[in-house]
Amino acid sequence: EDQVTQSPEALRLQEGESSSLNCSYTVSGLRGLFWYRQDPGKGPEFLFTLYSAGEEKEKERLKATLTKKESFLHITAPKPEDSATYLCAVLSFNGQNFVFGPGTRLSVLP
Amino acid sequence: DTEVTQTPKHLVMGMTNKKSLKCEQHMGHRAMYWYKQKAKKPPELMFVYSYEKLSINESVPSRFSPECPNSSLLNLHLHALQPEDSALYLCASSQDRDGGYTFGSGTRLTVV
Repeated sequence: EDQVTQSPEALRLQEGESSSLNCSYTVSGLRGLFWYRQDPGKGPEFLFTLYSAGEEKEKERLKATLTKKESFLHITAPKPEDSATYLCAVLSFNGQNFVFGPGTRLSVLP
Repeated sequence: DTEVTQTPKHLVMGMTNKKSLKCEQHMGHRAMYWYKQKAKKPPELMFVYSYEKLSINESVPSRFSPECPNSSLLNLHLHALQPEDSALYLCASSQDRDGGYTFGSGTRLTVV
């Protein structure tokens, strides 16, 4: 069974304090790993798709990396507007749909 | 148009009511999804439509009834819901089953 865990559950940062979020996964053949950002009461907003170990993608202050067992979302010099829940999801070759992790709630304080 | 539009944004209904949630996308995506999300939890898959045919029903109670009238529209018909069905209902679409999903903003449903 495909499984996804995320850590930490919650993270509070000061503005400008860089950090990383972790997504660990167990799948029977990874088809893709996806990062989403979700604001309260809103739908998840797509950030990145990673397909193979060693792949990296960047968007503004965010950088996502992938290994064979985990993915990191690095946040450089975060701003208060980066506060949100960050969801990781995996899609395996055997599975039919996304398996979401529980998410990391990020708060960036001014 | 790169959006998934859901209506209504908020819905309050009694346990004897019948209501429908609507979802629309014009990106030409051929897979559409309904998810249910409770507070501080990740989205849970309810239904998948692929090429307008129901392909997955994740053991959802029959008081939830999906419908896909055409490739751009997805409905979720609600009847005799329970208070524990109160949640954020999310619609999503994707070009194919391998791609990233585009989510709508959701319908906040409250059952009283």
